[in-house]
Amino acid sequence: ETGVTQSPTHLIKTRGQQVTLRCSSQSGHNTVSWYQQALGQGPQFIFQYYREEENGRGNFPPRFSGLQFPNYSSELNVNALELDDSALYLCASSSERDSYNEQFFGPGTRLTVL
Amino acid sequence: AQSVAQPEDQVNVAEGNPLTVKCTYSVSGNPYLFWYVQYPNRGLQFLLKYITGDNLVKGSYGFEAEFNKSQTSFHLKKPSALVSDSALYFCAVRDRQAGTALIFGKGTTLSVSS
Repeated sequence: ETGVTQSPTHLIKTRGQQVTLRCSSQSGHNTVSWYQQALGQGPQFIFQYYREEENGRGNFPPRFSGLQFPNYSSELNVNALELDDSALYLCASSSERDSYNEQFFGPGTRLTVL
Repeated sequence: AQSVAQPEDQVNVAEGNPLTVKCTYSVSGNPYLFWYVQYPNRGLQFLLKYITGDNLVKGSYGFEAEFNKSQTSFHLKKPSALVSDSALYFCAVRDRQAGTALIFGKGTTLSVSS
C-alpha cells in the first residue's frame, strides 16, 4: 500500500509569483484535504476535494485554489504569493469506506516566499 | 465555533515516567477527537481517535487517551515515556461544517530526557 506523497519537498518563490503543489493520495482513497501549517502553529484547513469536487473550504482567500483528478491525486495552486504564505503545506487523504474518515498525511511541501 | 485547545506549549518528562499532554475541546454535539504526532521534517502520523464507546482509547506506540465529556477534555497519556517519544503532538476535532476536515490545536512539544 503506497502512502500519501507530495511534491516538491521544498521550493522558494518570490512575492507575487504563482505556485502549484502536488499530492498523490493513498491507494484506495478518494478524498484529499489540504492544510497550511505556519511555523509554530497547528495545521489549518484550506479545502477538501471528494470525487473531483470541492467538499469544504476553510478561511482562505480565493487565490488558494485546487483540483482533484480522476485518479484522486490533487493540486493546490496559490496565486499572487505573499510573504505570509510561507509555510509547510500538508496533504491528507481518506476514504469514504472508513466511516470515521481517518486522514493520512503526506510529508508536506515547505514553501518559502521571499 | 468548534475548537480545540492545548494549554501547554511544552511538556518535559524524564524517561520512564508517565506523561500527559492536555487537550480540551469545544464542539456542538458529540465530538470526533484525534491525536497526531509530528517528527521534525515529517508529516503528521495518526496516534488514536475517539468516536464513541469506551472513554479510554488505546492507540499506537503505547499511547492512550482519556475522553472526559464533563470536562470536555481528551488528554493523551503514556505510562512510561521514551526518549524517542520526543516530538510535536497535536489534538484535533472533526469539523462538522467542512466535510471531514480537522481543526487542530496549536501543538505541544514533548521533550523526554534520558
